[in-house]
Amino acid sequence: DTGVSQNPRHKITKRGQNVTFRCDPISEHNRLYWYRQTLGQGPEFLTYFQNEAQLEKSRLLSDRFSAERPKGSFSTLEIQRTEQGDSAMYLCASSLAEGQDYGYTFGSGTRLTVV
Amino acid sequence: GESVGLHLPTLSVQEGDNSIINCAYSNSASDYFIWYKQESGKGPQFIIDIRSNMDKRQGQRVTVLLNKTVKHLSLQIAATQPGDSAVYFCAENTGGFKTIFGAGTRLFVKA
Repeated sequence: DTGVSQNPRHKITKRGQNVTFRCDPISEHNRLYWYRQTLGQGPEFLTYFQNEAQLEKSRLLSDRFSAERPKGSFSTLEIQRTEQGDSAMYLCASSLAEGQDYGYTFGSGTRLTVV
Repeated sequence: GESVGLHLPTLSVQEGDNSIINCAYSNSASDYFIWYKQESGKGPQFIIDIRSNMDKRQGQRVTVLLNKTVKHLSLQIAATQPGDSAVYFCAENTGGFKTIFGAGTRLFVKA
């Protein structure tokens, strides 16, 4: 296991199209997070899973966004009817629930450009 | 509301010098703080963390200092190297699952 894997690395889409991103976390990590990062800013929390349960969604996650983690392993983030404001880096991270270490392991992200 | 911020957006240091990156936080309930390093085209990478019951923690060439009285966090990098050039984020956690990131400081290391 080489870390958190995200696919695709880059996605260019036309406004109004739907896109889906995939995240494969570290296998023994049962917590999975999605963050969004725009240029020059820190990552912003979008949503969080513990195993297959989605436990919180940010106000940033409009109705056009949906995330799933069907078997508690990989996760997908879908954006419907994309808008130019959705252009950003979408980061996935994972961590262990046990213990008190809340440090995350991040993937390299999917950079979305909406034209 | 909750916020994590940074005093300086950019920091330029000479190779071999020590670097100090500062961060202010506003949520007094935060009990866990983390520094991340982000290189171009990559996701943030965990550097070092500290709990609120500590005021100093050392790693390899890095030290994090926490001053809860003034809600201030700093990252010290000893003998800064060109490979340390990156954006550094401080982040805070209130004991749950959500980590809040600041805007970042870009560190430039001059050879």
